[in-house]
Amino acid sequence: QAQLEQSGAEVKKPGASVKVSCKASGYTFTDYYLHWVRQAPGQGLEWMGRISPKSGGKDYSQKFQGRITMTRDTSISTAYMELTTLTSDDTVVYYCARAGYGNDPTPFDLWGQGTLVTVSS
Amino acid sequence: EIVLTQSPGTLSLSPGERVILSCRASQSISSSYLAWYQQKPGQAPSLLIYGASSRATGIPDRFSGSGSGTDFTLTISRLEPEDFAVYYCQQYGSSPRTFGQGTKVEIK
Repeated sequence: QAQLEQSGAEVKKPGASVKVSCKASGYTFTDYYLHWVRQAPGQGLEWMGRISPKSGGKDYSQKFQGRITMTRDTSISTAYMELTTLTSDDTVVYYCARAGYGNDPTPFDLWGQGTLVTVSS
Repeated sequence: EIVLTQSPGTLSLSPGERVILSCRASQSISSSYLAWYQQKPGQAPSLLIYGASSRATGIPDRFSGSGSGTDFTLTISRLEPEDFAVYYCQQYGSSPRTFGQGTKVEIK
């Protein structure tokens, strides 16, 4: 069945960068957008941006412009999200989620299990 | 950016009760691109409803969604023990995608 498998938890120091991976299986990687969503402990969901695995095109939330980079490697069906200049506010769980292509937008029908990133000195 | 406001913040209910959750948008959501997700502790969200009223695959019919424009509701006709969770609405018709702040349905 379709799955998104994310990389493991990370601990980073303030000012460092983190790169989280999201490996797709059970479906054609290039047939769906991959979005990144984050969630602070006990808080709501925050959309960070999306990447088209087919074209590599990206759409980032204004909030993260300048310190976020999304990439993908179609040979291994994996998407990546890198966030730089980390602060304690970036101590959250990061999720990848897929959504379909097409003129008709689609919701997030498959989610990764989440990756906890802890930023601490 | 479309801001979604969910109410109430928390509901304390008993199994078997009927639940109505509200999601109000700051501007009209085109073509009802409104989804509802359920999130249980320690888990990723999962899709319940899309297109304001269509149930996702495998979702029981006690879950129903309705609404259009700026006002949407999620109804659980009869709460089961596994339904105690946090529910989020999301608009996915425009960028940035945005979520409501969530409604927690807890056991009374």
